[in-house]
Amino acid sequence: QKEVEQNSGPLSVPEGAIASLNCTYSDRGSQSFFWYRQYSGKSPELIMFIYSNGDKEDGRFTAQLNKASQYVSLLIRDSQPSDSATYLCALAGQGNLIFGKGTKLSVKP
Amino acid sequence: GAGVSQSPSNKVTEKGKDVELRCDPISGHTALYWYRQSLGQGLEFLIYFQGNSAPDKSGLPSDRFSAERTGGSVSTLTIQRTQQEDSAVYLCASSLRLAGKLDTDTQYFGPGTRLTVL
Repeated sequence: QKEVEQNSGPLSVPEGAIASLNCTYSDRGSQSFFWYRQYSGKSPELIMFIYSNGDKEDGRFTAQLNKASQYVSLLIRDSQPSDSATYLCALAGQGNLIFGKGTKLSVKP
Repeated sequence: GAGVSQSPSNKVTEKGKDVELRCDPISGHTALYWYRQSLGQGLEFLIYFQGNSAPDKSGLPSDRFSAERTGGSVSTLTIQRTQQEDSAVYLCASSLRLAGKLDTDTQYFGPGTRLTVL
């Protein structure tokens, strides 16, 4: 049974700081990983995916994957109040995505 | 291009009635997924369709829930004899899912249908 674990938070950071969101997973054979953002009352939207060890940067977002340690993280630089949302980590399962329960991020002005 | 669409956006029904929720995936996407999200909770996988293969129904919570996908495109999720605990947002997603291309596992979500069972 593949599992994805996230700290539910809330994670509170001041505006302009770096927010660090972490996710661990149980299946060492997992190959691809996704970060979604979900605003309250809205559906999840993709931020980025990663499948190679190391860092992948897209604007203010950096995803980090460490397959040996079975964790994936998302860094948000220069955090803005508009980044306040729940961040969902997911990995590709047998045709499906296995989602974590999400970490709630609050960026304080 | 158009994203995933769902209808209705809101549905209020009485306990014991049947409801049908519709999902129209992104054109060309071979895979379609249904999830349920209760207030403040995570995503609960319900069912997954891939091309012409038999659907993965492993997430359906009871035999009151069923889904079909006609012509490899539009899908309908049916809940029979609704109960109050069925109240949730029902989300549909689709993905391209090409063999050997990991990024095509990315799922794109529709806006959801908020179901309220009185």
